[in-house]
Amino acid sequence: AQTVTQSQPEMSVQEAETVTLSCTYDTSESDYYLFWYKQPPSRQMILVIRQEAYKQQNATENRFSVNFQKAAKSFSLKISDSQLGDAAMYFCAYRRRSGGSNYKLTFGKGTLLTVNP
Amino acid sequence: GAVVSQHPSRVICKSGTSVKIECRSLDFQATTMFWYRQFPKKSLMLMATSNEGSKATYEQGVEKDKFLINHASLTLSTLTVTSAHPEDSSFYICSARQGQGFRQPQHFGDGTRLSIL
Repeated sequence: AQTVTQSQPEMSVQEAETVTLSCTYDTSESDYYLFWYKQPPSRQMILVIRQEAYKQQNATENRFSVNFQKAAKSFSLKISDSQLGDAAMYFCAYRRRSGGSNYKLTFGKGTLLTVNP
Repeated sequence: GAVVSQHPSRVICKSGTSVKIECRSLDFQATTMFWYRQFPKKSLMLMATSNEGSKATYEQGVEKDKFLINHASLTLSTLTVTSAHPEDSSFYICSARQGQGFRQPQHFGDGTRLSIL
């Protein structure tokens, strides 16, 4: 079974600084997607960034970038120039291609990010 | 962008009541919808996957007679918590995937906080 591990239950960062959230996963698949979702106190899940496993280039979205290490099965999220609005729970998620057409997401347990002014 | 509307956002009701939660895709056809349950400060747990016009596929340990899912159209799925009890209190989140392909995005609703007295 696929598992997603986020080893940091909580992280904090000073406003304007950089923080990296860790995520590792376990899979025997070769084609899959990895995602980072943000869940602010309002509770809606917001897609931050996604990475296709067959792409070697790390995905970037403005201040958010990932370090995707396929061999190590690692998928960390870097937030640069942190802003107060970045404070939220961050979930790493995995979607595999095989196993039927529903393509379910498997979530990690989350990392609560606090941004200090 | 694609929007998923979930209603109601909050429900408080007495034990023994049945509660229906609606999930609508507002500007796209959702062939597949997912229902998740989230406990405080915990990750999302997939309860079931529903495909339009078919019976829902429930995850192991989820009572299908307790959590009734109907996906009657390409834009609407409902979750009914039957004879709800305090232990059913939780945050329920729906999600809809736009299209059937592996690379299609998955969009989340705002969630419903269910409190059973």
